[in-house]
Amino acid sequence: AQTVTQSQPEMSVQEAETVTLSCTYDTSENNYYLFWYKQPPSRQMILVIRQEAYKQQNATENRFSVNFQKAAKSFSLKISDSQLGDTAMYFCALGGFQKLVFGTGTRLLVSP
Amino acid sequence: DSGVTQTPKHLITATGQRVTLRCSPRSGDLSVYWYQQSLDQGLQFLIQYYNGEERAKGNILERFSAQQFPDLHSELNLSSLELGDSALYFCASSVLDNMGYTFGSGTRLTVV
Repeated sequence: AQTVTQSQPEMSVQEAETVTLSCTYDTSENNYYLFWYKQPPSRQMILVIRQEAYKQQNATENRFSVNFQKAAKSFSLKISDSQLGDTAMYFCALGGFQKLVFGTGTRLLVSP
Repeated sequence: DSGVTQTPKHLITATGQRVTLRCSPRSGDLSVYWYQQSLDQGLQFLIQYYNGEERAKGNILERFSAQQFPDLHSELNLSSLELGDSALYFCASSVLDNMGYTFGSGTRLTVV
């Protein structure tokens, strides 16, 4: 079975600062994929970034980057230069098994 | 607009009733996934279809059923509804399992 754990229920950051959201996972599979999704107050699920487990290089998408530590089964999300529009729930997800397994989410509040 | 269309956006119904939620996947995507998100919770996987065939099943209740039609749209049927079935139901689609999913905007079901 696959599990995803997000140990930070809520986090706060000020505009323009950097914040890191934590995620750990567990799977016995060798081929898998990791994702971060953002869910703003509109409730839409938006893909932020993805990482293939077989790639050592950490994925980056503009202000969003990940720190993927395969041996530790850790997949954290760093948001640089935080903006008010980054306020949302962030879900870590593990995939590659005909489904995505989601963590319970981290609520991020960006304040002026 | 993500390209995944879900209808209706909101649904209010009484306990014991039956409802059907509809999803049209993004053009070219053969896989459809259904997820349930209860209030302030993570997303729970219900079921996956690929090109009309059931591929994977999660924690889907026996009162719930789904199907995918030849035109690839999918329907999730919820029967004998209970108060606890109140949730946001998401449909997602993908072309490949490893690319992440594109989510619809969800159907908010309220059982009274």
